Amino acid sequence: AQKITQTQPGMFVQEKEAVTLDCTYDTSDQSYGLFWYKQPSSGEMIFLIYQGSYDEQNATEGRYSLNFQKARKSANLVISASQLGDSAMYFCAMKVTGGGNKLTFGTGTQLKVEL
Amino acid sequence: GAVVSQHPSRVICKSGTSVKIECRSLDFQATTMFWYRQFPKQSLMLMATSNEGSKATYEQGVEKDKFLINHASLTLSTLTVTSAHPEDSSFYICSASLGHPNQPQHFGDGTRLSIL
Repeated sequence: AQKITQTQPGMFVQEKEAVTLDCTYDTSDQSYGLFWYKQPSSGEMIFLIYQGSYDEQNATEGRYSLNFQKARKSANLVISASQLGDSAMYFCAMKVTGGGNKLTFGTGTQLKVEL
Repeated sequence: GAVVSQHPSRVICKSGTSVKIECRSLDFQATTMFWYRQFPKQSLMLMATSNEGSKATYEQGVEKDKFLINHASLTLSTLTVTSAHPEDSSFYICSASLGHPNQPQHFGDGTRLSIL
């Protein structure tokens, strides 16, 4: 079974600063994918970034980057130059190859960007 | 990019009513779709995996007769909450993916269900 742990229920960051949202995972599978989603108060789930277990480089997508440390089983999301519109709930998720494409979600981190 | 459409976005109805929620993949074919339930301030809880042309696979603890799932085509899955009661009030959201392990699931915008 897979497990995702997000230990930060809430985070605050000042506008234009960078913030790191933590995510650790547990799986016995060697082939897996890690995903981050953003959920604004309106409810939709927005895909942000993906990291494959065999990817040697950290994934980046615009202001989002993923700090992937395989040995530590961590996949932290870094948001650079925070904007007010980044205020939302952020979920880390994982799926394993051969797992029927099922996603396992963490409990989420509520990010608030302040002026 | 892949788009998933979910309707309706909000439903308010009386206790005992059955409510149908549709999930459509607009620009790709999805042999598998997923239905989640989310309580306020909590994570998404997988209810069931919807398989095109076959029976849905339900997660442990989810009542099959309460939450009917039909996946009649490669672009449409429906969730029917039968004889809904106030405790069924929740946020329901569907997703679909292109199937490859490194492809993300794309989500609909969700349905807020309120049973009076």
